[in-house]
Amino acid sequence: AQSVTQLGSHVSVSEGALVLLRCNYSSSVPPYLFWYVQYPNQGLQLLLKYTSAATLVKGINGFEAEFKKSETSFHLTKPSAHMSDAAEYFCAVSETGRRALTFGSGTRLQVQP
Amino acid sequence: NAGVTQTPKFQVLKTGQSMTLQCAQDMNHNSMYWYRQDPGMGLRLIYYSASEGTTDKGEVPNGYNVSRLNKREFSLRLESAAPSQTSVYFCASSEGRAQPQHFGDGTRLSIL
Repeated sequence: AQSVTQLGSHVSVSEGALVLLRCNYSSSVPPYLFWYVQYPNQGLQLLLKYTSAATLVKGINGFEAEFKKSETSFHLTKPSAHMSDAAEYFCAVSETGRRALTFGSGTRLQVQP
Repeated sequence: NAGVTQTPKFQVLKTGQSMTLQCAQDMNHNSMYWYRQDPGMGLRLIYYSASEGTTDKGEVPNGYNVSRLNKREFSLRLESAAPSQTSVYFCASSEGRAQPQHFGDGTRLSIL
C-alpha cells in the first residue's frame, strides 16, 4: 500500500517568509498527488493537484508544489507567508487501482507577525 | 451550490448507543467516502463507494456500516458506539480516482 510522510507536524514561519511544507510518498508507479488545507472547524479544501501534466503545479492562494520523481517528493511552497495561511495542511496520494486517497498525518503551519 | 452536506454537525452519545451520520452531495459525483480524523493521524478511510450500489471497506471499517442510498446520499452507521469512535467524521465525494475529493464540514462525535 502507498504511504505518505509529512516531515514536521508543526512549522512556524514569520509573516513574509518562505513557506516550505514537505511531503514524500512511496509508490512504484507515478501517482496522483494532492495538497489540501484545513482551517479550524472546517473540512478540507483542495490547494492543488498533480496528475502528470506538469511537474510544477500552481494552486490557489499563491501556493505551488513541485513533483520530483527521483526524490519521491511533492513539497508545497509559498514565497511569502500571510497570516491567513495559518492552518493545517495535508498531502495525499491516490492508491493504484482504488478510488480512495491516502493522507499524510498533516502539518500545522503557524505564521508569526 | 451546497457541495457536500453532513448532518449532524455535533453529537454526543453514550457507549452502546447507535446513530447514523448523513451525507449528501449535489455535484453528481459517482464516488463517495467516509473518513475519520484523529489528532496526529491525518484522515483514515472508513468506507467508500465507487458508484451507486457498491461499497468497499477502507483502512478502519470495524464498528461501522454504510449505505449508498442513491447517487447523492451515503450514510455511516455506528451500531454500538464505543469511546474509541470519538472523532471528527468527514464525508467526501469525487468524480473518480484522479479527480479531487470535495469534503463536507465534518461531524464532531463524542462518545462517553
